[in-house]
Amino acid sequence: EADIYQTPRYLVIGTGKKITLECSQTMGHDKMYWYQQDPGMELHLIHYSYGVNSTEKGDLSSESTVSRIRTEHFPLTLESARPSHTSQYLCASTGLGLAGTGELFFGEGSRLTVL
Amino acid sequence: KNQVEQSPQSLIILEGKNCTLQCNYTVSPFSNLRWYKQDTGRGPVSLTIMTFSENTKSNGRYTATLDADTKQSSLHITASQLSDSASYICVVSDRGSTLGRLYFGRGTQLTVWP
Repeated sequence: EADIYQTPRYLVIGTGKKITLECSQTMGHDKMYWYQQDPGMELHLIHYSYGVNSTEKGDLSSESTVSRIRTEHFPLTLESARPSHTSQYLCASTGLGLAGTGELFFGEGSRLTVL
Repeated sequence: KNQVEQSPQSLIILEGKNCTLQCNYTVSPFSNLRWYKQDTGRGPVSLTIMTFSENTKSNGRYTATLDADTKQSSLHITASQLSDSASYICVVSDRGSTLGRLYFGRGTQLTVWP
């Protein structure tokens, strides 16, 4: 069973609010990822990190930011939420490169609704 | 352009029946292909991972096949159960870099009726 946790699971907020989605893993994985998923659509990579103090933007442009101060923690922040940010956000981690057969573990997701 | 296409988009079957889900990809250079199960409102859970040299892999009632020549994969579910109702996502990894990147299909939504 994957030891990767996301909070909150569900969040409903008003436009303009600042929010932080938390992601923590206890597997000691260096590589962590944030994906965005809309209903019936594929997952899109928005941020990734290959270790402490290393963060990169993914394929899908996002107004969110991330930080990686500790190996186990990879929070995602939206400074000013808008209705277009309404989506499911999934955090994932792996201990090996994905070009090999490294298992990619996902958290349960954070469902964000911006009114 | 690297793409992963899944069919059908949705499928309804009766409990106890078998079904097969399809995945076609154009990802190159190919590294591995993964099948995930995603329950509604939850995160994806890995079912199988197959490399270029593997053409079949099983995980309980789930059997995945891979034809790297035609760039096709299938996921066969045997004796379906109500708990199999979920989205099944095909994911292909390239080996353009040592760390690889993933290409996701949109998933097949499977509903199992009693």
